[in-house]
Amino acid sequence: DGGITQSPKYLFRKEGQNVTLSCEQNLNHDAMYWYRQDPGQGLRLIYYSQIVNDFQKGDIAEGYSVSREKKESFPLTVTSAQKNPTAFYLCASRTGSNTGELFFGEGSRLTVL
Amino acid sequence: AQSVTQLGSHVSVSEGALVLLRCNYSSSVPPYLFWYVQYPNQGLQLLLKYTTGATLVKGINGFEAEFKKSETSFHLTKPSAHMSDAAEYFCAVSSNRDDKIIFGKGTRLHILP
Repeated sequence: DGGITQSPKYLFRKEGQNVTLSCEQNLNHDAMYWYRQDPGQGLRLIYYSQIVNDFQKGDIAEGYSVSREKKESFPLTVTSAQKNPTAFYLCASRTGSNTGELFFGEGSRLTVL
Repeated sequence: AQSVTQLGSHVSVSEGALVLLRCNYSSSVPPYLFWYVQYPNQGLQLLLKYTTGATLVKGINGFEAEFKKSETSFHLTKPSAHMSDAAEYFCAVSSNRDDKIIFGKGTRLHILP
């Protein structure tokens, strides 16, 4: 089935460690997105990519990094510079059209111990 | 810059009663508007969207929303609430200016028996 796969679903890390969240899609979508969700804060945009080898910062990019080497993959690295990384992370994709809706993965919950 | 305001972080309605979830947006260009639903520990699922054309949009599960440009609103309604409607609902806005999609903070809908 077509869709977006995020892994791992749950992740624990110690302070000071970098961690990479995986996002893969087989929908042949051009654009991919990473959002962070915290209770009462809605979804906040971290990074997005409209095309391979190109990406833009969202509203809360500090402490995060991404790459887009393949159309179907958009991994997110949460670095030690991110001061409050414990959150639910959602990856999404959509077609190149601005009228298209987002398709979401099931999310990755990161907990920093 | 685009923004979305959802009035009421929690809304409670009785089963069988009207559901009304409010969304107001700010955009300097014609907006594209979306409503998503999220069940616990899952990704988001599209309920409906407005891009152009008819301002009353029908979505899945009996939901609909009306785009009112003069009021900069896109409120979500359902004539008769069902217990399965209990979830968190997000309004989102984008435009043809860029690929950013901005979400509101969400409204958690509680259904009372």
